[in-house]
Amino acid sequence: QQQVKQSPQSLIVQKGGISIINCAYENTAFDYFPWYQQFPGKGPALLIAIRPDVSEKKEGRFTISFNKSAKQFSLHIMDSQPGDSATYFCAASMYNQGGKLIFGQGTELSVKP
Amino acid sequence: EAGVAQSPRYKIIEKRQSVAFWCNPISGHATLYWYQQILGQGPKLLIQFQNNGVVDDSQLPKDRFSAERLKGVDSTLKIQPAKLEDSAVYLCASSVPWGGREETQYFGPGTRLLVL
Repeated sequence: QQQVKQSPQSLIVQKGGISIINCAYENTAFDYFPWYQQFPGKGPALLIAIRPDVSEKKEGRFTISFNKSAKQFSLHIMDSQPGDSATYFCAASMYNQGGKLIFGQGTELSVKP
Repeated sequence: EAGVAQSPRYKIIEKRQSVAFWCNPISGHATLYWYQQILGQGPKLLIQFQNNGVVDDSQLPKDRFSAERLKGVDSTLKIQPAKLEDSAVYLCASSVPWGGREETQYFGPGTRLLVL
């Protein structure tokens, strides 16, 4: 019940295209869903996050879509750029567990010029 | 604002040896986390501190791993003795207390450990 399942494992997109990464969770007590971006040799960095009281959040080219009934959420990267090439992790946490993040397995995104 | 600092960045040891990692969180961040990231996987929480108290260490292999956070600032994570399966990147992260509005965890660059 603590798992967060992420797909696909890897993704290749052409420059200017849309990258879509999906995550699914089981525990309905999760109440915070961040996406982290990680470049090689660096620690993960928060990209965007959403709470279950909204269905979508947009920040620049990055959008989270959240489907509470399906227990799924996804990251959309519009106008993907070569600089977006990185590994993306979805995660989930619940308020009464002190902010402990449960991470998905990661998606390695490669944006081709 | 300085980020989370970790050292060393890389460490190679032989199995059954001991190793220690150091983390200095962002100034003012009361909560500190240690994660283990095995190649090709997402980070997995090992231990969480709030100030110098342990909040969650349920996934810490306590027979070989130990961690402390003296004075509620810096933290060290130790492995003794190391096993081959401990080869991973050890990430430290910090945040303001979870009871507050800000929940962003800020990660350091990690320490890459190779056990031979």
